[in-house]
Amino acid sequence: DPKIIQKPKYLVAVTGSEKILICEQYLGHNAMYWYRQSAKKPLEFMFSYSYQKLMDNQTASSRFQPQSSKKNHLDLQITALKPDDSATYFCASSRRDRGEQYFGPGTRLTVL
Amino acid sequence: GDSVTQTEGPVTLSEGTSLTVNCSYETKQYPTLFWYVQYPGEGPQLLFKVPKANEKGSSRGFEATYNKEATSFHLQKASVQESDSAVYYCALSDGPGTGSNRLTFGKGTKFSLIP
Repeated sequence: DPKIIQKPKYLVAVTGSEKILICEQYLGHNAMYWYRQSAKKPLEFMFSYSYQKLMDNQTASSRFQPQSSKKNHLDLQITALKPDDSATYFCASSRRDRGEQYFGPGTRLTVL
Repeated sequence: GDSVTQTEGPVTLSEGTSLTVNCSYETKQYPTLFWYVQYPGEGPQLLFKVPKANEKGSSRGFEATYNKEATSFHLQKASVQESDSAVYYCALSDGPGTGSNRLTFGKGTKFSLIP
């Protein structure tokens, strides 16, 4: 069974719309993260959460908002979508006291 | 900020030959170092964590030694096979514990076998 679930796997949106990317982990970890991967940039850190609290935010735009409703969930809400937001978004998790992060399969977002 | 520089790909080799992917880093902190592998359509998979300076980390026939003086941790495999074809990323973390555990990745090195 997959330990980190990301939904949907593919997502197509129109410019200006809003989407939510879902992430759930069943590894018993207490820290979760979002990363972005595009053709232009390598894997890029966006956010880290621990015990449902924000630890670090490297995303300049407030259009990207993580949401943690449960300790094993960290969704990513993206508003006012732009074509430049097109990328694959990966969720990851770890134990807070261990550096090893485990990644989900990703959500590939295309903004038209 | 932190940065990681690795061998620019693509790298193509014959089966059974050795693979080396160079990786060096810059950081003001004492880093935790990792190698990840990514197959098409999948998320990055942790290959292994590189232990403390001058110690060797290894998994699936791959190994890397952290050279603190040279700020490098090159990935090596003695004899490559078809299943090794993938993109390899080196990464460093500012954690655990003290930082946010943020991973900074290199640009990735795509490796494939010569058909």
